[in-house]
Amino acid sequence: QSVLTQPPSASGTPGQRVTISCSGSSSNIGTNYVYWYQQLPGTAPKLLIYSTNQRPSGVPDRFSGSKSGTSASLAISGLRSEDEANYYCATRHASLSGVVFGGGTKLTVL
Amino acid sequence: QVQLVQSGAEVKKPGSSVKVSCKASGDTFSSSTISWVRQAPGQGLEWMGGIIPILGTTDYAQKFQGRVTITADESTSTAYMELSSLRSDDTAVYYCAREWGIAVPGLNLSGMDVWGQGTTVTVSS
Repeated sequence: QSVLTQPPSASGTPGQRVTISCSGSSSNIGTNYVYWYQQLPGTAPKLLIYSTNQRPSGVPDRFSGSKSGTSASLAISGLRSEDEANYYCATRHASLSGVVFGGGTKLTVL
Repeated sequence: QVQLVQSGAEVKKPGSSVKVSCKASGDTFSSSTISWVRQAPGQGLEWMGGIIPILGTTDYAQKFQGRVTITADESTSTAYMELSSLRSDDTAVYYCAREWGIAVPGLNLSGMDVWGQGTTVTVSS
């Protein structure tokens, strides 16, 4: 069981806006930046959002991150078929002394 | 463009050890933190630990304390992850990943922005 809680699945139709949540605690999300990773089947994860709400160069502005208290969210607007992937949130955990990942959310584009 | 190239697939017996390498191209190794993340078949990502090569400082997940050793050789820009006392549930793809910066893993603002291609480790009798 992951320290960070994500819904196991999410779905949307092309063009829609989808939000994926990541729930933590004051020991992790509440006091640290949040990162989001996208993993396509059979490939290594790719950094999607860093420092809670920043996009690396090359990541479309359809992807955005936010945080409120001990929860974070990834929003994907203008959903496209190529967005179908697994999405993971991650942050640093104070007492566990290390990086923790959410369990992952499988996004399906209907 | 920084790249991380990992060693090839391994098949190991239960109780043995495995050592996976991760070679960084470019000159950013000394300004980076390297983490190791694994993914069991059909499962999510699991952080194992990391190292700040220029400092030699390591940081391990509690779950793997005593069983994993992460090292780095600055002269060859290569990081290593050795996992001992292998069990069948250690069967997974093992990734190395870079954070730009020399804070402990997870505290470098850049996040894990470069990943290796992954190394499949199969533990079977």
